[in-house]
Amino acid sequence: RKEVEQDPGPFNVPEGATVAFNCTYSNSASQSFFWYRQDCRKEPKLLMSVYSSGNEDGRFTAQLNRASQYISLLIRDSKLSDSATYLCVVNMGVYGGSQGNLIFGKGTKLSVKP
Amino acid sequence: SAVISQKPSRDICQRGTSLTIQCQVDSQVTMMFWYRQQPGQSLTLIATANQGSEATYESGFVIDKFPISRPNLTFSTLTVSNMSPEDSSIYLCSVAPDGRNEKLFFGSGTQLSVL
Repeated sequence: RKEVEQDPGPFNVPEGATVAFNCTYSNSASQSFFWYRQDCRKEPKLLMSVYSSGNEDGRFTAQLNRASQYISLLIRDSKLSDSATYLCVVNMGVYGGSQGNLIFGKGTKLSVKP
Repeated sequence: SAVISQKPSRDICQRGTSLTIQCQVDSQVTMMFWYRQQPGQSLTLIATANQGSEATYESGFVIDKFPISRPNLTFSTLTVSNMSPEDSSIYLCSVAPDGRNEKLFFGSGTQLSVL
């Protein structure tokens, strides 16, 4: 089983739609979880951290399900500017441990159409 | 936050040659990280560069192929040596300015094509 798995998409949605992505991870001892956003031909940028209680930032909601070992990202009222690839990132080690424990998924591509 | 200047932004190179990528950060940081993103693949850590010590390489990456310099707390270089077409990729430097190595800021990347 791959360490961090994401549906590559693309998810093609109309403006104003609600869309959700899931990301599964293999190591049940994983401690920290993040969503990064990567625009086409650009560098990744941190979007949100994922806390056990969930995390909401405006139209974006991230949640963690430890029992099923997945995290999710929900985008409400999609905007054209939300079109990007969303990378799931999981720290499979302890905080402050080896940087190599930070595992990136391949990303889910979102395309928001007018 | 951190602002990272990475150059070159892209290059086309002949096999067997070497390319050095530079990263300059606008603040002092303890560690700098070098990643590779091959087409359709996830980001993969190449090495961690600490100032004043040798870089720490991940499995599958060796110093002879990817020598790294870290002369001070704001600058690092990654060299891709003796290039082959398999080295065609995007190379990214990154830092974690607040000390949490999970919350990364990335340079704009170097798109490398090897013919």
